[in-house]
Amino acid sequence: QKEVEQNSGPLSVPEGAIASLNCTYSDRVSQSFFWYRQYSGKSPELIMSIYSNGDKEDGRFTAQLNKASQYVSLLIRDSQPSDSATYLCAVNTGFQKLVFGTGTRLLVSP
Amino acid sequence: DVKVTQSSRYLVKRTGEKVFLECVQDMDHENMFWYRQDPGLGLRLIYFSYDVKMKEKGDIPEGYSVSREKKERFSLILESASTNQTSMYLCASSDPIWKTVASGYEQYFGPGTRLTVT
Repeated sequence: QKEVEQNSGPLSVPEGAIASLNCTYSDRVSQSFFWYRQYSGKSPELIMSIYSNGDKEDGRFTAQLNKASQYVSLLIRDSQPSDSATYLCAVNTGFQKLVFGTGTRLLVSP
Repeated sequence: DVKVTQSSRYLVKRTGEKVFLECVQDMDHENMFWYRQDPGLGLRLIYFSYDVKMKEKGDIPEGYSVSREKKERFSLILESASTNQTSMYLCASSDPIWKTVASGYEQYFGPGTRLTVT
């Protein structure tokens, strides 16, 4: 079983809709969780981090964490074509490293 | 803002050549990382360093070595490049985990080097 799992997609949403990206992780001691956005040919860019159960909002982005279910998600409201990218989920289990999922490709159509 | 820079965006080398990829960060981070990223395989950790002259193997260290002589600089070395090392190489840096109790240990990436070995 992979440590961090994401659906590879593509997830296709129309402009203005809510995009919902999901991630599950296997290690129950995971402590902090991150979402990175990666445009084609570019490096990952950190967009959200979350450390406790519940929701965390930043502009159009909301990260949701449920440690009991070992589940973290990213909601993008009012999706724009410029949001089209691959979104990587990353998890820290208390050591000096992050474990990354393979990413979900999001396509936002005008 | 955190700034992580890498020496080249694109690099083409021949099989058997020794290749140096350099990474520099300006945030005084203790930790630095080298990853490679391939389609369908995601980000895989090659090596990381948590202090000057200290290093630890990641998930795929074979065929690679690293050097960290100064805190801000972390080099990845391909001793004898092979075609299966054609990839996107990404450097990242972070504070050590003991400094990030509040922030949760974020890593920041450089722009990447796309290496082609022919």
